Amino acid sequence: GALVYQYPRRTICKSGTSMRMECQAVGFQATSVAWYRQSPQKTFELIALSTVNSAIKYEQNFTQEKFPISHPNLSFSSMTVLNAYLEDRGLYLCGAREQNYAEQFFGPGTRLTVL
Amino acid sequence: QQKVQQSPESLSVPEGGMASLNCTSSDRNFQYFWWYRQHSGEGPKALMSIFSDGDKKEGRFTAHLNKASLHVSLHIRDSQPSDSALYFCAASEPNNNAPRFGAGTKLSVKP
Repeated sequence: GALVYQYPRRTICKSGTSMRMECQAVGFQATSVAWYRQSPQKTFELIALSTVNSAIKYEQNFTQEKFPISHPNLSFSSMTVLNAYLEDRGLYLCGAREQNYAEQFFGPGTRLTVL
Repeated sequence: QQKVQQSPESLSVPEGGMASLNCTSSDRNFQYFWWYRQHSGEGPKALMSIFSDGDKKEGRFTAHLNKASLHVSLHIRDSQPSDSALYFCAASEPNNNAPRFGAGTKLSVKP
């Protein structure tokens, strides 16, 4: 079956430092990977969509300078939260999809706490 | 403007009752819909996806999609206290774009 893993599941970082999180697809080819953030008491905001062999598309209010993403192959993606502050805390979700298939598979998320 | 709207914001039903949740898209290109459930402190878990008009049933859960009105509903039959959670609707275009999430409906099932 198709699964998406995320690492780490929980992490704590000091304000002003950076934190890298990973997303791994198993059982299918992750042609596109979407990263989301769920801030406390809120819904899942789309940060960016990365498609293999295409430019990464960031949503308004999110930038590559703050959330650089790597998507080197069809099973792996990573995102870094640079210079994290209190407003960056939340659950970061990765969702992956294979080209020409409708189903989107989500990982369990990485919960980021900023001290 | 949020492209996916959910109602109600919160819902309380008695144990054994029927819970009905609604979701509408304001973007006519959104043709694929998903329902997710999130218990407190956890990540979201996929309940079901629906891409065609009509009903889709999985156990106690039934989703209904009307593409003409861009409306999808989720009905939970014989609701249990363990169904108490946040329910999110997500929708996307039928290409490789990322799904957008609604604001969620908080369901409480009272014993």
